[in-house]
Amino acid sequence: SQKIEQNSEALNIQEGKTATLTCNYTNYSPAYLQWYRQDPGRGPVFLLLIRENEKEKRKERLKVTFDTTLKQSLFHITASQPADSATYLCALFNNNDMRFGAGTRLTVKP
Amino acid sequence: GAVVSQHPSRVICKSGTSVKIECRSLDFQATTMFWYRQFPKKSLMLMATSNEGSKATYEQGVEKDKFLINHASLTLSTLTVTSAHPEDSSFYICSAIQGRSQPQHFGDGTRLSIL
Repeated sequence: SQKIEQNSEALNIQEGKTATLTCNYTNYSPAYLQWYRQDPGRGPVFLLLIRENEKEKRKERLKVTFDTTLKQSLFHITASQPADSATYLCALFNNNDMRFGAGTRLTVKP
Repeated sequence: GAVVSQHPSRVICKSGTSVKIECRSLDFQATTMFWYRQFPKKSLMLMATSNEGSKATYEQGVEKDKFLINHASLTLSTLTVTSAHPEDSSFYICSAIQGRSQPQHFGDGTRLSIL
């Protein structure tokens, strides 16, 4: 069965460090992958999209990689700040089918 | 841009009541809208996909007669939870896209509590 796993339920890091979140998938061939941020009691907010033929995408302090051989995407936040604390969701899309991971709750401590 | 408004943000009502939730795309026309349910610390669970002017496509295990979806225009979709019971209590979120393979723009969700 199709499965999407995000490395850990929670990740705590110190301010200024780089946060790395992982999204692994099995039995799925996504045409593209997206990362979203969700704050408590709010809807997810789109951050980045990366297509299957792209290796890396950047946006300000964010970087996403996509390895279709490893079936994995890595999401990096450099120079992390307490304001980056939130839950981050990966989502895979293929043929009108979109599936979300359970998310990783990131806490950046001052 | 790409703002989705969801209303109401919170509903508390008695068992047996029907509850309607609205999802509007404010500054774009949404070809497709999605309805999700989210449990605490869990992933978004897709309930149904709706396209303007056509019947919604429900995911396996989601009762069509329980969760009525109407997509009357390119900017409005509604979800009606009929004869709600305590087990229907959850966080319901809608999203909309401008075109296939475009990012989803989410509403801020509706916290539904059935007493």
